[in-house]
Amino acid sequence: SAVISQKPSRDICQRGTSLTIQCQVDSQVTMMFWYRQQPGQSLTLIATANQGSEATYESGFVIDKFPISRPNLTFSTLTVSNMSPEDSSIYLCSVEEFEVHYGYTFGSGTRLTVV
Amino acid sequence: QKEVEQNSGPLSVPEGAIASLNCTYSDRGSQSFFWYRQYSGKSPELIMFIYSNGDKEDGRFTAQLNKASQYVSLLIRDSQPSDSATYLCAEIGNNRLAFGKGNQVVVIP
Repeated sequence: SAVISQKPSRDICQRGTSLTIQCQVDSQVTMMFWYRQQPGQSLTLIATANQGSEATYESGFVIDKFPISRPNLTFSTLTVSNMSPEDSSIYLCSVEEFEVHYGYTFGSGTRLTVV
Repeated sequence: QKEVEQNSGPLSVPEGAIASLNCTYSDRGSQSFFWYRQYSGKSPELIMFIYSNGDKEDGRFTAQLNKASQYVSLLIRDSQPSDSATYLCAEIGNNRLAFGKGNQVVVIP
């Protein structure tokens, strides 16, 4: 399965600032997915990132708040902009794996705390 | 987004017993289903996938799919303390994986 390196692993940020999370995959993948997991909750899809096109955002998530870049087939970034304490969550990137019927493999996650 | 429901509360099972987890889904067109295990502070790990009606076994894990009744289940046989985790059910459609809320399993030695 794909190996996904995600960084930073955790950060504590001041409200009003921005944080960019990086996700590097050891193989070329068509789509990358960004999820958020709030404390004690399940995973919510933020957006799907395709190389060479704008990311597709799910309902409730907007590009101005969560801009995504996908410059090539192995790398993506998610920025959490103008942060507030409500953005404190774990952010996860993932890729689909053909070998397991398109199930997703996840990166190790970024634990973000906004103070 | 598609709806996947896991309604059971935390499940405590004695070591060596069978843990049974259930998940229902709303979209009859859903094709593939997944069970993830998530240890506290870690990211989800895929442990089973199933897309055909019936049972699928992998070691101590058995996934069951019943498309007519729209449910998926996961059985963990001979439960071990290392199985203590949150188990997330997920379904895929339109190239998106949608997750249930998860069930916490605690295996008591």
